[in-house]
Amino acid sequence: DSGVTQTPKHLITATGQRVTLRCSPRSGDLSVYWYQQSLDQGLQFLIQYYNGEERAKGNILERFSAQQFPDLHSELNLSSLELGDSALYFCASNHGTAYNEQFFGPGTRLTVL
Amino acid sequence: TQLLEQSPQFLSIQEGENLTVYCNSSSVFSSLQWYRQEPGEGPVLLVTVVTGGEVKKLKRLTFQFGDARKDSSLHITAAQPGDTGLYLCAGYSGAGSYQLTFGKGTKLSVIP
Repeated sequence: DSGVTQTPKHLITATGQRVTLRCSPRSGDLSVYWYQQSLDQGLQFLIQYYNGEERAKGNILERFSAQQFPDLHSELNLSSLELGDSALYFCASNHGTAYNEQFFGPGTRLTVL
Repeated sequence: TQLLEQSPQFLSIQEGENLTVYCNSSSVFSSLQWYRQEPGEGPVLLVTVVTGGEVKKLKRLTFQFGDARKDSSLHITAAQPGDTGLYLCAGYSGAGSYQLTFGKGTKLSVIP
């Protein structure tokens, strides 16, 4: 158990819909990272937050957004969903220092029908 | 965009055999990490290598970082069914980097 929690575990929805994925980092960690894992693209970095502020942005679509709240939990919002958005979404956390190990949650499996 | 290429993509071996998986890039990485991921779970860090030429051992696993810090290998001796999983290499690039770039992984199956 990494100490990072993600909800829900599974999510099935339809194209065009909007969903919210939630992540609670390990106790004491200030930084949260979001990743998308698909069979063809592997694990892709989406976005990082540190203590409530966006720190780094990867290949995140404009239809996706995220935020980190004062209690340090984070939410990833996916809108206008397409079939290709079906994937595993992972959240990771660490103290936010460069080159640190990232601790990954169990992931949310999103299926868009 | 910095890419990490992992090979082989799939590997199926008998228990007791040795194996090596590779992680290559045309770019220099400040540090490189190896993670193992089991089905339905998130990746778990195995090791971080930082210095070119560095070799780290973790029981039956040996990790090497290339002299030029562009490649790495993972060697497993006497593989066991518990080693089955997806092995991912990931690199940090640049000074003060916070963003990890992942390879697509090597899916290892160790058959009893």
